[in-house]
Amino acid sequence: DSGVTQTPKHLITATGQRVTLRCSPRSGDLSVYWYQQSLDQGLQFLIQYYNGEERAKGNILERFSAQQFPDLHSELNLSSLELGDSALYFCASSTRARVSGNTIYFGEGSWLTVV
Amino acid sequence: SQQGEEDPQALSIQEGENATMNCSYKTSINNLQWYRQNSGRGLVHLILIRSNEREKHSGRLRVTLDTSKKSSSLLITASRAADTASYFCATDSTQVGSEKLVFGKGTKLTVNP
Repeated sequence: DSGVTQTPKHLITATGQRVTLRCSPRSGDLSVYWYQQSLDQGLQFLIQYYNGEERAKGNILERFSAQQFPDLHSELNLSSLELGDSALYFCASSTRARVSGNTIYFGEGSWLTVV
Repeated sequence: SQQGEEDPQALSIQEGENATMNCSYKTSINNLQWYRQNSGRGLVHLILIRSNEREKHSGRLRVTLDTSKKSSSLLITASRAADTASYFCATDSTQVGSEKLVFGKGTKLTVNP
């Protein structure tokens, strides 16, 4: 158990809909990362927040947004969902802002299926 | 685009044998990490090697790093069925503005009992 908690574990929704994935980082971790894992694209970095502020941005679509709240939990919002958004979405956390040399701890992921 | 690329994509061995997985990357890095993922589960950190290190050990794991060839290898000795998983290398680049951990597509290891 990494200490990173993600909900929901599984989600099935229709195209065009909007979903919110939630993440609670490990106790004491200030950085939260979101990754998308799909068969064709592999593990893609989406976005990082550190202590409530956006820190780094990756291949995140405009239809997706994220935020980190004062209690450090984070939410990833996915809207206007398409079939291709079906994937395993991971949240990860770490203590420091800089990723260099920093171990990040992954949650168990949220399986999103868009039908 | 992916920074690291693992090779082979899939590897099947017998219990007790050694498993070697390779990772190549494109840009200069600060560190390289290896992670393990059991099917459909979260990734678990295995080992981190810094760019100024050439070899690192952790239990049955041995990681090497050759920055001149931009490659790393992960050796699992005396493999067990429980080692069956996908293994990913992840790099963080020295490039300014590229401060993110980039994962390869992974090697799927199957250890047959």
